[in-house]
Amino acid sequence: DIQMTQSPSFLSASVGDRVTINCKASQNINKYLDWYQQKLGEAPKLLIYNTNSLHTAIPSRFSGSGSGTDFTLTISSLQPEDVATYFCFQHNSGNTFGAGTKLELK
Amino acid sequence: EVKLQQSGDELVRPGASVKISCKASGYTFTSYSMHWVKQRPGQGLEWIGAIIPIIDTTEYNQKFKGKATLTADKSSNTANMELSRLTSEDSAVYYCAREKKAGPLDYWGQGVMVTVSS
Repeated sequence: DIQMTQSPSFLSASVGDRVTINCKASQNINKYLDWYQQKLGEAPKLLIYNTNSLHTAIPSRFSGSGSGTDFTLTISSLQPEDVATYFCFQHNSGNTFGAGTKLELK
Repeated sequence: EVKLQQSGDELVRPGASVKISCKASGYTFTSYSMHWVKQRPGQGLEWIGAIIPIIDTTEYNQKFKGKATLTADKSSNTANMELSRLTSEDSAVYYCAREKKAGPLDYWGQGVMVTVSS
């Protein structure tokens, strides 16, 4: 089974900061990596799919990059409404979520 | 508008089974796989499995084989998940989620909280 190692587990940043969250796969997953945002008490929401494709109506400050085993979610300028937990998800072989990154405002 | 409406929260006894549903609307139900995801309180997301409604083919996370059974009712556009032999470890929120072409989960239900308690 493919394991997904997400880092950091917790992140504190200020409004306007550039934020990066990383996900490392235990083996090559090609481009099949998505990013989800989950706000408190809500269902997860798709942000980025297949490494770098922005889902419908997602603000352009969110972007994704990477390939093979190493992937990154970037928020170019953090906004208050971005406070949430972020999960990566691979669907190249089976389906596996990362453990999550909790993002809060400093 | 795509919508996945899940059934209500459940309180069930240890050892019992529970069936939760996910009614799809706003798209052709048989054209998309439906996935199920578990989230224990304050924890991360676990992929349980998926069903392809048009051919009733299922795929499960090995951890949930024998625990979860996925079905799809094409007449009512509803995906179902039955959880059996419930223990406290099964207390969680369970989500259904539609698979967009090529893998990502683009629409999610609101979640069903299952509480296992005597």
